Amino acid sequence: DGGITQSPKYLFRKEGQNVTLSCEQNLNHDAMYWYRQDPGQGLRLIYYSQIVNDFQKGDIAEGYSVSREKKESFPLTVTSAQKNPTAFYLCASSPHRGIAYNEQFFGPGTRLTVL
Amino acid sequence: AQTVTQSQPEMSVQEAETVTLSCTYDTSESDYYLFWYKQPPSRQMILVIRQEAYKQQNATENRFSVNFQKAAKSFSLKISDSQLGDAAMYFCAYRSGDNAGNMLTFGGGTRLMVKP
Repeated sequence: DGGITQSPKYLFRKEGQNVTLSCEQNLNHDAMYWYRQDPGQGLRLIYYSQIVNDFQKGDIAEGYSVSREKKESFPLTVTSAQKNPTAFYLCASSPHRGIAYNEQFFGPGTRLTVL
Repeated sequence: AQTVTQSQPEMSVQEAETVTLSCTYDTSESDYYLFWYKQPPSRQMILVIRQEAYKQQNATENRFSVNFQKAAKSFSLKISDSQLGDAAMYFCAYRSGDNAGNMLTFGGGTRLMVKP
């Protein structure tokens, strides 16, 4: 049963703490992405990775970090430098070949709340 | 940089009726792709329909169809025979044809309510 999983579904963090959001895919997709969604708004790109051991900043990368050590995994760390981290975070992946080349597939998301 | 605008924050439709959601975009490119994604209350993003800019024929997927007007840079979504399960946020998205990273630019979304 192929797909994208994100964990946890809900995450609470105290101010000043770093927290890592998990994203795993078994679709054999090369590219992976992290988006942030604020209430009533569209998605904004945080980071993306086209290949293992390589990633690029998106539009709102400040206060976030990522790694891509395995093709299946693309964890996002929200650091204490992120001033307003409370949001809904979506992970996506995309193949580099085939008919779905230009389609992104999304995970179920993680709701992060800073207390 | 490309921008995507959805001018209708909220729309409402009666069950079984037809509704059209608007999307405009700004680009200087000739090769690109456009998408409509649905985000139901579960918040899982689901691809509804896709349009390649080089294709003149409007894409259709069952009850969902688009009106792609390349010159006007308009990409509206028509939902026919609306069902209660169509209630969701709908996002229009743009992808450049030169975009090796396959990044999407999203509009702000339209919340669709379906009245029984």
